[in-house]
Amino acid sequence: AQTVTQSQPEMSVQEAETVTLSCTYDTSESDYYLFWYKQPPSRQMILVIRQEAYKQQNATENRFSVNFQKAAKSFSLKISDSQLGDAAMYFCAYPPGGGADGLTFGKGTHLIIQP
Amino acid sequence: DGGITQSPKYLFRKEGQNVTLSCEQNLNHDAMYWYRQDPGQGLRLIYYSQIVNDFQKGDIAEGYSVSREKKESFPLTVTSAQKNPTAFYLCASSINGGNYGYTFGSGTRLTVV
Repeated sequence: AQTVTQSQPEMSVQEAETVTLSCTYDTSESDYYLFWYKQPPSRQMILVIRQEAYKQQNATENRFSVNFQKAAKSFSLKISDSQLGDAAMYFCAYPPGGGADGLTFGKGTHLIIQP
Repeated sequence: DGGITQSPKYLFRKEGQNVTLSCEQNLNHDAMYWYRQDPGQGLRLIYYSQIVNDFQKGDIAEGYSVSREKKESFPLTVTSAQKNPTAFYLCASSINGGNYGYTFGSGTRLTVV
């Protein structure tokens, strides 16, 4: 069974600093996608960034970027210039078989931003 | 604006009662999903449907039932057989198998009293 592991239950960072959230996954597939979702206190799940496994280039969305290491099955999220609004739960997710049968989520990392 | 609407936001149920959570989408997505979220557990898949009048069990389907009579609607019933139903429930939909990610509703918090 495919699994997604987030080894950091909680992280804390000073405002304006950079923080990296870790994620590893297990799969036997060669072509797939990976996602990071943000869940703020409102509990609305928001897609932060998406990475295609066949692309060498790491995905970037403004202050959010990933470090994708396919061979190591690692997919970390880097948040630059952290802002108070970045405080949330962050979930890494993987779609086995293309995602039609559901996304598999990690247990999440609670990110705290210190002013 | 297109999106997913879940109702109600908060729901209280007495032990032994069935209760139905509503999920409606106007995104024209074929696939819809129900997830359960508990503290420290991430999101776990309950049921999903890729097409009208068809649905499949997810990882934790026991004690739950669903229907998919219309493309836009995917209600979830929490039955009295569900031993620990207090949780946060999220509905999602996707296009084209989910490789572009899922769109989520705002959730329903169910509490058994």
